[in-house]
Amino acid sequence: GAGVSQSPSNKVTEKGKDVELRCDPISGHTALYWYRQRLGQGLEFLIYFQGNSAPDKSGLPSDRFSAERTGESVSTLTIQRTQQEDSAVYLCASSRTGSAEAFFGQGTRLTVV
Amino acid sequence: LAKTTQPISMDSYEGQEVNITCSHNNIATNDYITWYQQFPSQGPRFIIQGYKTKVTNEVASLFIPADRKSSTLSLPRVSLSDTAVYYCLVGDGRGSTLGRLYFGRGTQLTVWP
Repeated sequence: GAGVSQSPSNKVTEKGKDVELRCDPISGHTALYWYRQRLGQGLEFLIYFQGNSAPDKSGLPSDRFSAERTGESVSTLTIQRTQQEDSAVYLCASSRTGSAEAFFGQGTRLTVV
Repeated sequence: LAKTTQPISMDSYEGQEVNITCSHNNIATNDYITWYQQFPSQGPRFIIQGYKTKVTNEVASLFIPADRKSSTLSLPRVSLSDTAVYYCLVGDGRGSTLGRLYFGRGTQLTVWP
């Protein structure tokens, strides 16, 4: 595709439910990032995938958060047993190997009620 | 990872030149300096990257002194549409062991008519 695509764009869920967020990176981009951005805050790094290397999960805030990536394509971020503090915009980005120019999607706005 | 410090907010008027300075005292030898721009309800967008001295593109200039402990993003003749949050990132974004990008709070630039 022309850019990074994220779905859904908005998600409202009840506390305690699981949610799955999807990211389609730009074709050919080996690096994929997930970030969380709370209202009025900066971006919080969550996880980084680079090709077939083991992902860098150092930013995941708890074991309720997990992410997978199929090869160098789609990635899903799963949040189990959602809490109200999980409410935020979740941003996905991708980049070519060796490039600091990451391209971001529009994000998924998650609201936990 | 090198920590960055930048002003929380700045104000300017249309047509003026804006300089946003970022401090990164602990920058490592192989670290690059990258700036991103974020509009409301959008993901960040890459602006410019540099290692030392001066880099210029069609959008901005980046000035980096010899000691590389700070950098200044310069936006010439800003317009209302330049109102955004500007992030300074420092890290090895060239595909080595550290591929993740760390964003701080950024600088909210507001351009007034």
